[in-house]
Amino acid sequence: AQSVTQPDIHITVSEGASLELRCNYSYGATPYLFWYVQSPGQGLQLLLKYFSGDTLVQGIKGFEAEFKRSQSSFNLRKPSVHWSDAAEYFCAVGASGNNRKLIWGLGTSLAVNP
Amino acid sequence: EAGVAQSPRYKIIEKRQSVAFWCNPISGHATLYWYQQILGQGPKLLIQFQNNGVVDDSQLPKDRFSAERLKGVDSTLKIQPAKLEDSAVYLCASQSLTNTGELFFGEGSRLTVL
Repeated sequence: AQSVTQPDIHITVSEGASLELRCNYSYGATPYLFWYVQSPGQGLQLLLKYFSGDTLVQGIKGFEAEFKRSQSSFNLRKPSVHWSDAAEYFCAVGASGNNRKLIWGLGTSLAVNP
Repeated sequence: EAGVAQSPRYKIIEKRQSVAFWCNPISGHATLYWYQQILGQGPKLLIQFQNNGVVDDSQLPKDRFSAERLKGVDSTLKIQPAKLEDSAVYLCASQSLTNTGELFFGEGSRLTVL
């Protein structure tokens, strides 16, 4: 069955520290992979996506993610976290074809200490 | 390019009352989704439309929830009668058939059922 796992429910980092949020997926075909961010009271905003090519993708707000097929992972990273990065982060997987419904992880809540 | 529009942003009703949410997707996006997001959880798909047809409504509580997209553009989600457990944010998202599958979200409609 298709699934997305975000092992960390909640992470706290200090401002300026590096960040890695984990995402593992189970999917039969080559997936399209996404990271979304949700600030309090807001909708979800796309941070970055992978669908083919270079396995290291760059996104908005200084985020990047690396697709590792052998590990079925798509971890999100940022070298230096800012206080404004505190939010909920969701990983999602989808497919090409007619039905491109996304499968969502449960999210990781990020808190940033000053 | 205008984003996904949703209204109202906030709604407070008493249980057993009815409520309707409206969504206008990005122009030209054939696929429209309604999600329910309960506080602290990830988005749960309620219904997926492609143009004016339903692709997936397997998780829509059809005894009380209904949704339509009559002209294949904007959509309405209705709850009647509302229950306390329907308190959530209702997110609308749209998706193009020609891009790599990312969803574009509105800001959501927050429902509180008292």
